[in-house]
Parts: sequence; structure tokens; C-alpha cells
Amino acid sequence: DIQMTQSPSTLSASVGDRVTITCRASQFISSWLAWYQQKPGKAPKVLIYQASSLKSGVPSRFSGSGSGTEFTLTISSLQPDDFATYYCQQYNTYSETFGQGTKVEIK
Amino acid sequence: EVLLVESGGGLIQPGGSLRLSCAVSGLSVSSNYMTWVRQAPGKGLEGVSVIYSGGVTQYTDSVKGRFTISRDNSKNTLYLQMNSLRAEDTAVYYCATSPTQGYWGQGTLVTVSS
Repeated sequence: DIQMTQSPSTLSASVGDRVTITCRASQFISSWLAWYQQKPGKAPKVLIYQASSLKSGVPSRFSGSGSGTEFTLTISSLQPDDFATYYCQQYNTYSETFGQGTKVEIK
Repeated sequence: EVLLVESGGGLIQPGGSLRLSCAVSGLSVSSNYMTWVRQAPGKGLEGVSVIYSGGVTQYTDSVKGRFTISRDNSKNTLYLQMNSLRAEDTAVYYCATSPTQGYWGQGTLVTVSS
């Protein structure tokens, strides 16, 4: 199985900060990577798919980059609504696994 | 509008069985990648099973031989048959589409406990 290693597990930041979360795949997954945001008691919401494609309706301060095994989610200017937990997910052929999550907290 | 509505969760004893349903509107389960994802209390997301448009299925190792994913095209509904349930299967179970589409249900709680 493909393992996804996400870092950091917790991140403390202030409104307006630039935030970067990294995800590493144990095998080559091309660009088959998505990023999700989840708030307590709610279903996850997709932000980015295919590594860098912004889901319709998602603010442009969110961006994704990378391919192969190394991927990054960047929030260019953190807003109050962005304090949440973020997950990466690989969806390579006949395989699907999530990273362990990154909780973005208020500093 | 696309809607996914899960049902069938509840309290079940270890060793028991449950069938989860995911009623879908606004897209066809037969022509889309559909998945079940679970989240144990206070834990992260775990992909449980996927069924692809061609019918190929995939399961995470911990549920292989116990869980079966299926779909009823006439009812446009996705299912997860869960047998030999264990305490560690306790979680909120979500149905979802591919990340490209990005639709999720609200989740249904399965509690395995005596």
C-alpha cells in the first residue's frame, strides 16, 4: 500500500500568515493527490485535486503544487475561517490513502 | 445539485453485521468512482473501499474479507456490507465521489460494542 506522510501534525499560526503543509508519498503517484479541509463534526471538503487544480468555489488563497512523491498545500494569507484540520489523499490507480492530518491552530 | 445521504449506522455487537447505504442524487453511481471513508472518534480519515465505474473494487487491508462494496444502479445507491464487525471498526462512515468531483455525504456513525 502507498503510505502518505504529512507534516507538520500541528501548526500554530496567526491571521495573515503564509502557511505550508507538506505531504510525501511512499511511491510515485504522478499528480493523483487531493487536499481536504475538515472542521469538527463536518464532512471533509475538497480544496485541491490532481495536485494543483483548485476546486470551484474554493478561495484562491489556497494552492497546491508538486508531483511524483512530494506535494505542498499553501495558504497564502491565513483567514479566521481556515483554522481546521487538513488532509492529503492519494488516489493512484486502484489505491487510495490519506495522510494523518495537520491541525492548523490559532497562535 | 448532487446529494449523498448515508444511512444504516447504529450500535452493533462485536461479530455482528450491518449494511450501510448511500443514496445518491444528481450523478450516476454506475458511471462514477465511489468510495467509503471512515473516521474513528478523534482520529484521521481512512479510506475503506472504492468501486470504480468499471466495477473493480478495492479494500483497505483491515477490512478485506469482511466488508463488501456494491451498488444498485436502478436505485442509484451505494452499499457497504460489513460483517464480523470489531471494536476498531467504530467510526463515522462517509460515502464520497472522486476527489475531482468532491462530493461527500454527512456520515453515519457505526458503534461496535457489547
